[in-house]
Amino acid sequence: GENVEQHPSTLSVQEGDSAVIKCTYSDSASNYFPWYKQELGKGPQLIIDIRSNVGEKKDQRIAVTLNKTAKHFSLHITETQPEDSAVYFCAARVNFGNEKLTFGTGTRLTIIP
Amino acid sequence: DVKVTQSSRYLVKRTGEKVFLECVQDMDHENMFWYRQDPGLGLRLIYFSYDVKMKEKGDIPEGYSVSREKKERFSLILESASTNQTSMYLCASSRTGAAHYGYTFGSGTRLTVV
Repeated sequence: GENVEQHPSTLSVQEGDSAVIKCTYSDSASNYFPWYKQELGKGPQLIIDIRSNVGEKKDQRIAVTLNKTAKHFSLHITETQPEDSAVYFCAARVNFGNEKLTFGTGTRLTIIP
Repeated sequence: DVKVTQSSRYLVKRTGEKVFLECVQDMDHENMFWYRQDPGLGLRLIYFSYDVKMKEKGDIPEGYSVSREKKERFSLILESASTNQTSMYLCASSRTGAAHYGYTFGSGTRLTVV
């Protein structure tokens, strides 16, 4: 089955700087890659996603890039703010019609004021 | 606002007890999932369901069962709770379709088995 690896497990960034979280996946048939943010005491929330026919997607300060050849995708957060502090999960899904996501192990991002 | 509601935020149960975790969604989603979340292990899929009365095993189904009698409700059952089932349990739902809708998660149930 699909295997998703996520790095780093923890990341501390000065407020205003950029943060990058990287994931690799094993199954070349994967075609959907979402990112989730989990704030303390809450369930994960979808923040951005990318399909396999797109190389990059941006939403304000957040962007995701996908390299299908290398089977890796990354989350980029620019101009970080204290409210960006959270745990971030990447995920991958194989095949149309198969709704099951495989998640990475998570990155705890801390923004230092 | 769409919602996935988990019935309990915190639960403390004794070893050997039968435990029910309830999840309800109000979005008419076809798919529902149960994950457990443990530090360093991320989110691991226990069971999922694509339709009423339908269930499939995830990656770690041992010690668990599920029930989906109605489209909006998906229950996770620990037949005989053990201490290694102490964890955060997350329910999620999603819509079927090639548009690849993401999951909507509940807030989680933190279960402690003593």
